[in-house]
Amino acid sequence: EDKVVQSPLSLVVHEGDTVTLNCSYEVTNFRSLLWYKQEKKAPTFLFMLTSSGIEKKSGRLSSILDKKELFSILNITATQTGDSAIYLCAGFLSSNTGKLIFGQGTTLQVKP
Amino acid sequence: EAQVTQNPRYLITVTGKKLTVTCSQNMNHEYMSWYRQDPGLGLRQIYYSMNVEVTDKGDVPEGYKVSRKEKRNFPLILESPSPNQTSLYFCASSFLGALYNEQFFGPGTRLTVL
Repeated sequence: EDKVVQSPLSLVVHEGDTVTLNCSYEVTNFRSLLWYKQEKKAPTFLFMLTSSGIEKKSGRLSSILDKKELFSILNITATQTGDSAIYLCAGFLSSNTGKLIFGQGTTLQVKP
Repeated sequence: EAQVTQNPRYLITVTGKKLTVTCSQNMNHEYMSWYRQDPGLGLRQIYYSMNVEVTDKGDVPEGYKVSRKEKRNFPLILESPSPNQTSLYFCASSFLGALYNEQFFGPGTRLTVL
């Protein structure tokens, strides 16, 4: 069964800490993995990963994919209170369908 | 402004009363999709559409119907809502060429079925 599993489910840190969020997947015909950030509204896109070992970076956020071990991590350095959100990981099943499998999400709280 | 709109944003209804949640996008996207979000379960895909008149089931299609008669609209129909369909619903769209990149999400519809 195709699935995406995120860990931890929740995390509390203080401003300035570095956090690592994990996403492992079992998807029949893996095409790509996506990361989204969700505050009290709709998810917003962060990264798309298709190739193993290539880091995607945007400011203090970065992400990398390991296709052999079937996981991805999202790193946030020097966290700020504005990073408090739910972080969602999702996998596309196949290039020929639009079926998208989401993980349960990781709720990150950054305290001042 | 490029956007995905959903209506209504909030709805409280009773079991068995048919309802439709509308979704519209103004970006000429081929791909549209519906998700529901429940605490501890993340987002789960209900139905998606790769183009006009082409729809397919996601992971949790039971109790829902969709149609795609026009490119911009993708309504979600609950023929006989039940309390277990109480949830937060999101519509999303993207270009097919960018399918594996960014999906634009609507603002969400919070549905309560009593």
